[in-house]
Amino acid sequence: DGGITQSPKYLFRKEGQNVTLSCEQNLNHDAMYWYRQDPGQGLRLIYYSQIVNDFQKGDIAEGYSVSREKKESFPLTVTSAQKNPTAFYLCASSIGLAGAYNEQFFGPGTRLTVL
Amino acid sequence: GENVEQHPSTLSVQEGDSAVIKCTYSDSASNYFPWYKQELGKRPQLIIDIRSNVGEKKDQRIAVTLNKTAKHFSLHITETQPEDSAVYFCAASDSWGKLQFGAGTQVVVTP
Repeated sequence: DGGITQSPKYLFRKEGQNVTLSCEQNLNHDAMYWYRQDPGQGLRLIYYSQIVNDFQKGDIAEGYSVSREKKESFPLTVTSAQKNPTAFYLCASSIGLAGAYNEQFFGPGTRLTVL
Repeated sequence: GENVEQHPSTLSVQEGDSAVIKCTYSDSASNYFPWYKQELGKRPQLIIDIRSNVGEKKDQRIAVTLNKTAKHFSLHITETQPEDSAVYFCAASDSWGKLQFGAGTQVVVTP
């Protein structure tokens, strides 16, 4: 389970506020991902990054932003433009992306609630 | 893009019986199919995976089968135990190597 951490574990946000979720890994992985999980649904990809200073939109990127300034870190900002942000957010990392065959390791998650 | 469908959404089994979860995928270029187990409030953890050049893989009480022609793969859990109760997700890689997840199966093992 070690190697990839997320903080905080629980986060409460008022409507109209931006919040940033932290994700750090010490696995020396090149690829990192952000997923959103809602009850009864699978994991949906928000953003992913294959290398430092590069990232791509996933299936549900609207209302979110990311940065990848360091290999170890991939923070996710939930902006006020995200209409329904209450969810469980999972960060993951893998050795690489291209060619698949890459096991993704997940962080413990952040549960975001909009008040 | 890739689309993964997973059935059933819930599965109740008696302890000791077998459980089977099925997934179908749409992208014929998919070549990696992992299965994750997620306990309540915890992170998903890989339990088994299979690559497209293999038809079946087994690890103790867990097995996965892959039919590339039909584009479906299945998870089989034998001799189920209460600790097998969790949500199970299948996934398939798309042509870029990103994973597309199924909606999950809630497995409940009753003593």
